[in-house]
Amino acid sequence: GAGVSQSPSNKVTEKGKDVELRCDPISGHTALYWYRQRLGQGLEFLIYFQGNSAPDKSGLPSDRFSAERTGESVSTLTIQRTQQEDSAVYLCASSLAVAGSSYNEQFFGPGTRLTVL
Amino acid sequence: GENVEQHPSTLSVQEGDSAVIKCTYSDSASNYFPWYKQELGKRPQLIIDIRSNVGEKKDQRIAVTLNKTAKHFSLHITETQPEDSAVYFCAAAYSNDYKLSFGAGTTVTVRA
Repeated sequence: GAGVSQSPSNKVTEKGKDVELRCDPISGHTALYWYRQRLGQGLEFLIYFQGNSAPDKSGLPSDRFSAERTGESVSTLTIQRTQQEDSAVYLCASSLAVAGSSYNEQFFGPGTRLTVL
Repeated sequence: GENVEQHPSTLSVQEGDSAVIKCTYSDSASNYFPWYKQELGKRPQLIIDIRSNVGEKKDQRIAVTLNKTAKHFSLHITETQPEDSAVYFCAAAYSNDYKLSFGAGTTVTVRA
């Protein structure tokens, strides 16, 4: 079946502009995650959605970052007033996550490479 | 929150030799430890994982060990092949929390 998809694959923007990044999770996956990967570094957790629960926003680096998810489908990560330090690959992942069950594998999308000039 | 440290940052091995990557974690509540492989320009993919009720798990040439007392876990790749060249990330999570805390990654290069 189809995996996690993200769009756009690349985004170049000017400092100060807003950007929206989109993630389409695997159908039926109730959990959705956003991570940031700076060049040569590990993955940094940003935000997590699980069903109808309030999202875990503990990883968002500033109030310029926000994300929404429509039901158990598409999610959008928005970065307002972009800065050069926002340049990174933004990865989305989804998983089957049932409360109280053991951990389920996260499947990653291909990422969106964001470059802020 | 959870802090995962990973060593070494780079590792070069001769084809056929073994590679070992080590990670430590800080939160004793963590009970799930996956390893992801990321080839250049590609998405991370799960290669093996271990849960805290198990000390060792093996899948063909790949094995992972977990020492809960010391809060460290390791990835072992035997009989390395050129296609094993990639960046490997360890991670830790608490099952009721789900979000993964990743190590900084190890770039493995297998020399032919």
